[in-house]
Amino acid sequence: AQSVAQPEDQVNVAEGNPLTVKCTYSVSGNPYLFWYVQYPNRGLQFLLKYITGDNLVKGSYGFEAEFNKSQTSFHLKKPSALVSDSALYFCAVRPPLGGNNRLAFGKGNQVVVIP
Amino acid sequence: DGGITQSPKYLFRKEGQNVTLSCEQNLNHDAMYWYRQDPGQGLRLIYYSQIVNDFQKGDIAEGYSVSREKKESFPLTVTSAQKNPTAFYLCASSTRPTGMRGTDTQYFGPGTRLTVL
Repeated sequence: AQSVAQPEDQVNVAEGNPLTVKCTYSVSGNPYLFWYVQYPNRGLQFLLKYITGDNLVKGSYGFEAEFNKSQTSFHLKKPSALVSDSALYFCAVRPPLGGNNRLAFGKGNQVVVIP
Repeated sequence: DGGITQSPKYLFRKEGQNVTLSCEQNLNHDAMYWYRQDPGQGLRLIYYSQIVNDFQKGDIAEGYSVSREKKESFPLTVTSAQKNPTAFYLCASSTRPTGMRGTDTQYFGPGTRLTVL
C-alpha cells in the first residue's frame, strides 16, 4: 500500500526567505504525487502534481516541487515566502496502476511565515 | 473550492442521532470522495464513488453510509454507530480515472465541521 511521510510537524520561516516542505513516499511503481494547501476551516486547494516528465514541477502561487526518484522524495519549495503562505500543507501519492484514484495523504505540515 | 459545495458548514449532533452531510458538484465529475480530517492525522478516506449508483468503502467506512443517485450529489450519513464522529469532513470530486492513465486531480469542497454534543 502507498504511504506518505511528512517528517516535520511545523516549519517556521522568515518572510522573504526560501521555504521548503519535505515529503517522502512509498509506492509500487512510478508514483503520481500531489501537493495541496489548506487554510483554517477551509477545504484543500490543489497546488501542483507530478505525473511524468520533468522532475521540477511548477504550480500555483509561485510554488514548485522536485521529484527525486532515488530518494523517493517530492519536496515543495518557494523561493521567497510570504506571510500569506502560512497554512497547512499536504503531500499525497497514488500508484499509477489501477483505476480507483485512491490517494494516500501525509499528516500535513503547518507552515508559519514570520513577518 | 469552486464547483463543489458542502452544507452545512457547521453541524451539531446529539449522541444517538444520525446526521447527513451534503456534497454537490457542478464540475461534471464522475468520481466523488468523502474524507475525514482529524488534527495531526491527515485525511482518511471514508467512501468513494466512481460512477452513479456505485460506491466503495474506504479505509474507515464503519459507522458511515453514502448514496450516489445523481452524478452531482454524494451525501454522507454519519450514523449512531460511529463512536467518535467529531471531525472535519471533506468532500472531493475528480474526473473518472481511466486505468493506467488515471491521473485525475481531486478537487475539494469547503468542508463540514461536525461536533457531537
